[in-house]
Amino acid sequence: AQSVTQLGSHVSVSEGALVLLRCNYSSSVPPYLFWYVQYPNQGLQLLLKYTSAATLVKGINGFEAEFKKSETSFHLTKPSAHMSDAAEYFCAVSPVEGGYNKLIFGAGTRLAVHP
Amino acid sequence: EAGVVQSPRYKIIEKKQPVAFWCNPISGHNTLYWYLQNLGQGPELLIRYENEEAVDDSQLPKDRFSAERLKGVDSTLKIQPAELGDSAVYLCASSRSFGSGQGYNEQFFGPGTRLTVL
Repeated sequence: AQSVTQLGSHVSVSEGALVLLRCNYSSSVPPYLFWYVQYPNQGLQLLLKYTSAATLVKGINGFEAEFKKSETSFHLTKPSAHMSDAAEYFCAVSPVEGGYNKLIFGAGTRLAVHP
Repeated sequence: EAGVVQSPRYKIIEKKQPVAFWCNPISGHNTLYWYLQNLGQGPELLIRYENEEAVDDSQLPKDRFSAERLKGVDSTLKIQPAELGDSAVYLCASSRSFGSGQGYNEQFFGPGTRLTVL
């Protein structure tokens, strides 16, 4: 069965520092991959998605992620953190089985940004 | 364009009581999803509707949970009776889909209903 592993339930960075949130998936067939952000008391918002086109994907708010098949990874990065980036981030996969209609989420990483 | 609307936003009930959550998807979105999000975890799919039909309800605990989507628009998720372990956030999402196997269709999420069972 498909699964998603997010390394680190909490990540803390200084404002202006690099943000790196890690995500690994388990699948012999590359799925579609996504990063969502969730602010307190709000629903999930799509940051970016990989759907088998370019392996380096750019999203909103300056975030990007790189699909690496050899490492089964889809890590999220941002060159310079802003205070407003503090939120919960979820990596998700949509497997080929089921026609890409299902989203399987990781446990999430809470990002804290301090001055 | 209005987003996915859910109500209530917060609900506190005593165990063994019934509870219902309502979701209004984005206009024109034929696919509707209900997710369960436990504290500190990612959302898990409970049920997916294509129009009025529940096409994936394999994760819905059918002994106490039920859902309906009359007329293929709004949906209601019910728990009866509620248990302490049901305390969580219930998320609704919708997408415009063109049939299975046609590729990914972006899901748009509502703000969720936070349920507390005492």
